[in-house]
Amino acid sequence: QVQLVESGGGLVTPGGSLRLSCAASGFSFSDYYMSWIRQAPGKGLECISYITTSSYTYYADSVQGRFTISRDNAKNSLYLQMNSLRAGDTAVYFCARENWKSVDSWGQGTLVTVSS
Amino acid sequence: DIVMTQSPLSLPVTLGQSASISCRSSQGLVSNDGNTYLTWFQQRPGQSPRRLIYKVSNRDSGAPDRFSGSGSGTDFTLKISRVEAEDVGVYFCMQGTLWPYTFGQGTKLEIK
Repeated sequence: QVQLVESGGGLVTPGGSLRLSCAASGFSFSDYYMSWIRQAPGKGLECISYITTSSYTYYADSVQGRFTISRDNAKNSLYLQMNSLRAGDTAVYFCARENWKSVDSWGQGTLVTVSS
Repeated sequence: DIVMTQSPLSLPVTLGQSASISCRSSQGLVSNDGNTYLTWFQQRPGQSPRRLIYKVSNRDSGAPDRFSGSGSGTDFTLKISRVEAEDVGVYFCMQGTLWPYTFGQGTKLEIK
């Protein structure tokens, strides 16, 4: 079955950087668009980035210029490089598989806390 | 960005009764390819979201047939017939027609 396992979250000071990883299994990773979606504590969901099968990338305005999504199909892995982190970036970050312009599978999430 | 507005935000329901959640978009969700990319998710306490319905009314395998989706244009509805205790959680709608994909605020379903 589809499995998405995020890692790399943690506590970082404002202005710092963090790299999230997502290990995918149970499906042909290279055939799917992949996304990062975040959920701030007690808040709603925000799609922040997605990457196509051809590695075209899209970003929400809130992270454009600071975050970079990438994929390594040989390793069945998705990444999110996060720079210039702010307190407002504090959230659980989910790796997600896109299908039919929707999300059909989610990881368990990894918590990123930006605080001094 | 397309704004998705859900109502109600809190939904107390008696076991065995039906429940409806409304989701309205700030603009029509019909895509250039003719499809309407409106999705419903369920998020149980402490869990990741789980997709229930995609493209307005297509139920995911594994989603109980008590869940159904309907609507068109800018108005969409998730209906849960015969609510069970396992249905407790937060329900979100999401549009995938235009980037950035956007979610509703969530509707918290609880048992009376």
